[in-house]
Amino acid sequence: EADIYQTPRYLVIGTGKKITLECSQTMGHDKMYWYQQDPGMELHLIHYSYGVNSTEKGDLSSESTVSRIRTEHFPLTLESARPSHTSQYLCASSSSGQPSFGNGTRLTVT
Amino acid sequence: GENVEQHPSTLSVQEGDSAVIKCTYSDSASNYFPWYKQELGKGPQLIIDIRSNVGEKKDQRIAVTLNKTAKHFSLHITETQPEDSAVYFCAARTPSGTYKYIFGTGTRLKVLA
Repeated sequence: EADIYQTPRYLVIGTGKKITLECSQTMGHDKMYWYQQDPGMELHLIHYSYGVNSTEKGDLSSESTVSRIRTEHFPLTLESARPSHTSQYLCASSSSGQPSFGNGTRLTVT
Repeated sequence: GENVEQHPSTLSVQEGDSAVIKCTYSDSASNYFPWYKQELGKGPQLIIDIRSNVGEKKDQRIAVTLNKTAKHFSLHITETQPEDSAVYFCAARTPSGTYKYIFGTGTRLKVLA
């Protein structure tokens, strides 16, 4: 089973608040990813990182930002949450193989 | 750009029957194809994968086939059980060394008892 952890599991927050979704992995993987998952199931890559101090935008434009100061940690931040940010956010990591996923954070912005 | 098409989007089968999910990828240089199962409230979990130099791989009731010429790959689940009910995703890895994975749109499988 993958050792990748996301907190919180659920978050309900008001419009305009700043939030950070946490993601940590204990496998020493160099690559980490953030996906946004629609209610209709699709997975959209919004950010990825190939190592410390490396971050790239994914295929789906997102107002969120990420940082990779430590190998094991890849937090995602929204400076000002809006209802359109309501979604499931999945973090993943990999080395040379397929990504291993965390259980996600379900974000609701009211 | 690169994309992966997945069909069907929903699939209902009777317990004990087989289920087949099909994917088509656009980048002929893609070289690795994992399949994931996502249960309610959890992240996707790898269930089987196949590399481009192999045509078929089997693991108990699950098998995956790859047709490189047609750029098709499929997941086959035999003797389905209620616990197979979940959302299944196919994916293709782009070959550029960036380890980017393109996911299909998902198939919601329901196994009816």
